[in-house]
Amino acid sequence: AQSVTQPDIHITVSEGASLELRCNYSYGATPYLFWYVQSPGQGLQLLLKYFSGDTLVQGIKGFEAEFKRSQSSFNLRKPSVHWSDAAEYFCAVGLLVGGSQGNLIFGKGTKLSVKP
Amino acid sequence: DVKVTQSSRYLVKRTGEKVFLECVQDMDHENMFWYRQDPGLGLRLIYFSYDVKMKEKGDIPEGYSVSREKKERFSLILESASTNQTSMYLCASTQGRYGYTFGSGTRLTVV
Repeated sequence: AQSVTQPDIHITVSEGASLELRCNYSYGATPYLFWYVQSPGQGLQLLLKYFSGDTLVQGIKGFEAEFKRSQSSFNLRKPSVHWSDAAEYFCAVGLLVGGSQGNLIFGKGTKLSVKP
Repeated sequence: DVKVTQSSRYLVKRTGEKVFLECVQDMDHENMFWYRQDPGLGLRLIYFSYDVKMKEKGDIPEGYSVSREKKERFSLILESASTNQTSMYLCASTQGRYGYTFGSGTRLTVV
């Protein structure tokens, strides 16, 4: 069965420091991978997505993620964190149904705190 | 930009009430989804729909039903609300390979 694991429940980084959030997936076929961010009390916003091609994907707000098939990973990175990046981050793997995107399987999320 | 609108941000209902959560999207998406989100459990899929009048059960459909009479609207129904249905409910829509667009969520409290 498909699954997504985010091993870190909570991470604290200092403002200006680099960030890496880990995501591992289990999926039998080529995955479609996503990262979402959720600010408190809000819905989820798409940061970036990977379907095929270049394994390094650029997203919004200065985030990037790298797909590593050999490690079944899709880690999210940012070179310099801003206080406004404090939020919860969700990794997801997408399933295709009839050529159109079907369900997303979400990880349980990583909460990011930023120290001044 | 695609907009997904959930009619209420906060709701308080009594145990046993029938509760309707409404979700409307404005981009003619075929696929719509309802999730609930609970601390430590992440997002869990309740129901989804790939077309008008079509619905499929997700991982936790018990105690819920859905209605999709028009393409843009996907309603989640709690037939008889219970306290264990207190949660954040998130609606999403998608078309093709663009990822989900989420609504802002409805925080439901059942007392």
